[in-house]
Amino acid sequence: EAGVAQSPRYKIIEKRQSVAFWCNPISGHATLYWYQQILGQGPKLLIQFQNNGVVDDSQLPKDRFSAERLKGVDSTLKIQPAKLEDSAVYLCASSLVKPSGELFFGEGSRLTVL
Amino acid sequence: AQKITQTQPGMFVQEKEAVTLDCTYDTSDPSYGLFWYKQPSSGEMIFLIYQGSYDQQNATEGRYSLNFQKARKSANLVISASQLGDSAMYFCAMREQDSSYKLIFGSGTRLLVRP
Repeated sequence: EAGVAQSPRYKIIEKRQSVAFWCNPISGHATLYWYQQILGQGPKLLIQFQNNGVVDDSQLPKDRFSAERLKGVDSTLKIQPAKLEDSAVYLCASSLVKPSGELFFGEGSRLTVL
Repeated sequence: AQKITQTQPGMFVQEKEAVTLDCTYDTSDPSYGLFWYKQPSSGEMIFLIYQGSYDQQNATEGRYSLNFQKARKSANLVISASQLGDSAMYFCAMREQDSSYKLIFGSGTRLLVRP
């Protein structure tokens, strides 16, 4: 079974530039999550989709971050314009829709904003 | 409000000994699930163990067990017979079983296993 795929693995940009991250979840997983993990901290949920609908985006800085999930499968997270404090690893995860459904994580996309 | 608390930023344990990593949580939902994940220095998140709020028995998975004390709202991870490869960050997470299935993580504990 293929895991959660993310790209790019690494990205370095200047502040005020834009960046996009892509995620392909495990086939059949209806729920998709984007987390931001700043160095030394726990993952912080940015947005959660169920199929192609947004379940929770309360922690997403909507003035600069946007995300979509096309046809309930792939997802893209965009940052525009980037700030220095956006430097982090962006983790994508997917799960089945059940209480004990553990999250399966991708390898993450490490963003450095200079 | 923070719902998952891990009060130990770092822990040391001697190889082959057992170690307990603390986790407390706060929820008014009677139905919830608790998860532990391991994150080695390579960065991947590895699922370790799950405990449902209505489960009668404490969860176990190999050398991992979860000491679930519902009244105290604690879900501590116990690793028995520590190995050098257990050195990593460990995160406790909670899912309130409302319609969202949102999963929230704690701040983590860094475990170092000494040879």
